[in-house]
Amino acid sequence: AQSVTQLGSHVSVSEGALVLLRCNYSSSVPPYLFWYVQYPNQGLQLLLKYTSAATLVKGINGFEAEFKKSETSFHLTKPSAHMSDAAEYFCAVSENFGNEKLTFGTGTRLTIIP
Amino acid sequence: DTGVSQDPRHKITKRGQNVTFRCDPISEHNRLYWYRQTLGQGPEFLTYFQNEAQLEKSRLLSDRFSAERPKGSFSTLEIQRTEQGDSAMYLCASSPRGVTTGDTQYFGPGTRLTVL
Repeated sequence: AQSVTQLGSHVSVSEGALVLLRCNYSSSVPPYLFWYVQYPNQGLQLLLKYTSAATLVKGINGFEAEFKKSETSFHLTKPSAHMSDAAEYFCAVSENFGNEKLTFGTGTRLTIIP
Repeated sequence: DTGVSQDPRHKITKRGQNVTFRCDPISEHNRLYWYRQTLGQGPEFLTYFQNEAQLEKSRLLSDRFSAERPKGSFSTLEIQRTEQGDSAMYLCASSPRGVTTGDTQYFGPGTRLTVL
């Protein structure tokens, strides 16, 4: 069984400040890990993914995440927040075999303060 | 790629009515997934197709739910005798089946269902 915990359902940061969204996972097998972003009334868009290559993964819009096996974490960061980053962010895990269905966390709503 | 499309975008129905949603995946993507997202929650897996074969169904998918993917192209999700608890966003995603695993799932805009 696999699961994802996202600490902080709401995070607020000032424009230009560091963004840090936390994700911890549980998986009985080596996982694939994903971060998706969802804007209001839209579907999910992939930001980045970890599939057992480099542990530091760079994604779109300046986001990156680091896979830390010892901490079972995959936190999302961005050095400088932009107003357009305001959205809901979901961390997800899948097993690296079979149908690779995604198990999502409950999401973190990011608000950017001007 | 034109992306994953879903129709309708919004559906309001009365309790007890049947509803059907359609998903058109990215062409040549042979994997298709359905998820359900309720307010304040992340999406939850419902079912999965590899080409036209439905290979897994979640326990969330009661007998009132049925999904098909004829000819391995578009998919439909039908809910019979809708209940207020069925109100949610229904998301469709598709992915290629490449040589390596961990393929990205591309999501459609979703169908928001409201059951009165």
